[in-house]
Amino acid sequence: DVVMTQSPLSLPVTLGQPASISCRSTQGLVYTTGDTLLNWFQQRPGQSPRLLIYKVSNRDSGVPDRFSGSGSGTDFTLKISRVEAEDIGVYYCMQGTHWPWTFGQGTKVEIK
Amino acid sequence: QVQLVESGGGLVEPGGSLRLSCVASGFTFSDNYMTWIRQAPGKGLECLSYISGNSRDTNYADSVRGRFTISRDNAKNSLFLQMSGLRAEDTAIYYCARYTRIPNPWGQGTLVTVSS
Repeated sequence: DVVMTQSPLSLPVTLGQPASISCRSTQGLVYTTGDTLLNWFQQRPGQSPRLLIYKVSNRDSGVPDRFSGSGSGTDFTLKISRVEAEDIGVYYCMQGTHWPWTFGQGTKVEIK
Repeated sequence: QVQLVESGGGLVEPGGSLRLSCVASGFTFSDNYMTWIRQAPGKGLECLSYISGNSRDTNYADSVRGRFTISRDNAKNSLFLQMSGLRAEDTAIYYCARYTRIPNPWGQGTLVTVSS
């Protein structure tokens, strides 16, 4: 299975400051279509995961533009330009290229 | 809008069986792959199975292969997960999701607890 490794696992942040989460895969994630199926999800406390970013860098509908995704090959990053209180939760990267699709361990974003 | 509602979770003894359901609305159900994903308490996420719109393409994670069966009823906009041989490690919230190369959106989940 493709292992997705996130860092850090815990991210204390100051409101209004930037934050960055890294995700690395043990295999390349380019699908047969040529797309790189690397996605980012946010899970707020008590809620289901919500899609933030798909195919590395595309924001889902309604996702604030302070969220951005980048990367290629096996190395990917989620950035929040200015953290807001509503951004608290756990963030997961996920690869949809190789079955079984796999998630990172999750990064817990909390306010300092 | 797209909505997915799971049901069927509950408390079951080790070795027992349970059938989860997911009712979909807001999109053409029969045109879409669907998937089941679970999250053990306080743990990460695990993709369990997927099924194509016409049910011809299915796959399973090794952890549930041979014990769980995914199916669907397009006439009822419903997805199912038949679970047998349940183990304590199957205790989790089970989510269904539409899959279009991305699992999105997800339902609210249904809790399955395997315990004696």
